[in-house]
Amino acid sequence: AAGVIQSPRHLIKEKRETATLKCYPIPRHDTVYWYQQGPGQDPQFLISFYEKMQSDKGSIPDRFSAQQFSDYHSELNMSSLELGDSALYFCASSPSRDNYEQYFGPGTRLTVT
Amino acid sequence: GENVEQHPSTLSVQEGDSAVIKCTYSDSASNYFPWYKQELGKRPQLIIDIRSNVGEKKDQRIAVTLNKTAKHFSLHITETQPEDSAVYFCAATFHTDKLIFGTGTRLQVFP
Repeated sequence: AAGVIQSPRHLIKEKRETATLKCYPIPRHDTVYWYQQGPGQDPQFLISFYEKMQSDKGSIPDRFSAQQFSDYHSELNMSSLELGDSALYFCASSPSRDNYEQYFGPGTRLTVT
Repeated sequence: GENVEQHPSTLSVQEGDSAVIKCTYSDSASNYFPWYKQELGKRPQLIIDIRSNVGEKKDQRIAVTLNKTAKHFSLHITETQPEDSAVYFCAATFHTDKLIFGTGTRLQVFP
């Protein structure tokens, strides 16, 4: 079965640089979520999209922005990177907001040096 | 506020024994409670979930129970195997569909 696809899988950036993470949800899933997971921590919700509109926002810094495109893929844009942004970034998709089941992608490991 | 507490933080069992992980949540309106298994450096994998209109759900060696009155839910793994070793996260939804996770339990199953 098709799964969530994320790219790139690994990304190394320097402080103050920008990064763009991409997520391709499972086909026919209309809801996308972004989570950030620091070392040894639980995933923290950043932002979600339903039918290409932002549906919820969590603890996402103002330096980050995201959007969902017409083909339902989503991109997380991160600017003015800080050392503390180093983490695993997961995208998850769900068949619908009312379903609640979320299936995670393999993640992007971002390292800021 | 939106909060999920998870215990224990680490759990070591002998192969073949049972393992139980417990979570409590803060809002009685919560209605969806999934459990995820995460191996080191890998994605969280949905292993079982339960909704607020059900008290128990079972899938082979894994079961989840929900006590809405006490606002807690538990994961039960029977006949544990070394490949069950991982970090397990409980989660809950609070009024929206975003997941709030517990702090995780590192389960080690010794052969």
